[in-house]
Amino acid sequence: EDQVTQSPEALRLQEGESSSLNCSYTVSGLRGLFWYRQDPGKGPEFLFTLYSAGEEKEKERLKATLTKKESFLHITAPKPEDSATYLCAVQGGTGNQFYFGTGTSLTVIP
Amino acid sequence: ETGVTQTPRHLVMGMTNKKSLKCEQHLGHNAMYWYKQSAKKPLELMFVYNFKEQTENNSVPSRFSPECPNSSHLFLHLHTLQPEDSALYLCASSQESGRKETQYFGPGTRLLVL
Repeated sequence: EDQVTQSPEALRLQEGESSSLNCSYTVSGLRGLFWYRQDPGKGPEFLFTLYSAGEEKEKERLKATLTKKESFLHITAPKPEDSATYLCAVQGGTGNQFYFGTGTSLTVIP
Repeated sequence: ETGVTQTPRHLVMGMTNKKSLKCEQHLGHNAMYWYKQSAKKPLELMFVYNFKEQTENNSVPSRFSPECPNSSHLFLHLHTLQPEDSALYLCASSQESGRKETQYFGPGTRLLVL
């Protein structure tokens, strides 16, 4: 079954405490993996697209990496404004559809 | 305005009401989507319009009816909804050219059905 699983479900970090969010997938024929940030009451905001294993993308304190089975979103020295839900989506499978995970809710404490 | 806009941002309706959600994209994209987002669940794709052709999602109840008059506008018509339809409804757009590209989302409409 094509599926995307994100872990942990929730993460609390002290400001400056680096960590990683995981997105594992069983979707066949990966065409792309997408990371989004979503603030409460708002739509998802696009962060990164990764297309092949070994690829990495960076933006400010965020770095996304991709292997054949999972992706990590590394957050270096996070700040309170990084608090949000981070969503992972995978494009692939039958019909080249998008499959979303349930997200990781990140809280950064000052 | 830029990006993807949605109106209204919040909507409260009774089960016998008829209302419509509106989405407009200013990105020049050729595909638009409606998603439903409920707490603790993955985004649920409801409808896709690609080059104005609708891709049917047989799991979506008929009380939801989409309309795409052109490549920039998308509507979701609602009638006789149920309380379990309360959720955040997100519109997205993308530029498809042989393969699906990154989707960009609007701010969503928070719907409450009483």
